[in-house]
Amino acid sequence: GENVEQHPSTLSVQEGDSAVIKCTYSDSASNYFPWYKQELGKRPQLIIDIRSNVGEKKDQRIAVTLNKTAKHFSLHITETQPEDSAVYFCAAGSNTDKLIFGTGTRLQVFP
Amino acid sequence: KAGVTQTPRYLIKTRGQQVTLSCSPISGHRSVSWYQQTPGQGLQFLFEYFSETQRNKGNFPGRFSGRQFSNSRSEMNVSTLELGDSALYLCASSRSGRNSYNEQFFGPGTRLTVL
Repeated sequence: GENVEQHPSTLSVQEGDSAVIKCTYSDSASNYFPWYKQELGKRPQLIIDIRSNVGEKKDQRIAVTLNKTAKHFSLHITETQPEDSAVYFCAAGSNTDKLIFGTGTRLQVFP
Repeated sequence: KAGVTQTPRYLIKTRGQQVTLSCSPISGHRSVSWYQQTPGQGLQFLFEYFSETQRNKGNFPGRFSGRQFSNSRSEMNVSTLELGDSALYLCASSRSGRNSYNEQFFGPGTRLTVL
């Protein structure tokens, strides 16, 4: 069935370092890959997304890469700041609004 | 523009009871999806409604059901509650159209505790 694996489950970095979170999906029909950030006690919020016709997308300190052949996509955060500390979820979807989420990565950025 | 709202925010029920949760999407959004969030399991897709029709369904038992009204508001119902149903239930809305993909905006969730 449809599945999204996400690694690592926890990630601790020093402020200013980079953080990378990786996801693998199983459904070859997936063509939409959003990333959500969920701060403690708050709702998930979209931070960046990529569609299957694009290999990389950047938005300031955040970038996402997609390898459709390998069914891998990754989130890269550069120059991390304490406010980046949160749980990050990757997801995969197709042409309808059904998203399959990964199990999340708890990112801690230490000052 | 008002965001996605969910009521109630907190619920405490006992095993065997049933519960109804409500979600009001952003004005103009026609798709509403429901997710169950538990520690360690992430967000698991329950179902998605578009124009009052269930368009997608996840792998949850038939005790979980939902519906959507003509104003796009959605409800989900869980019957014969079990302890394992304790979770944060999130709904998300998107503008959506057939064969297109749009950003999903999440509500604050309903925290359900089953005793």
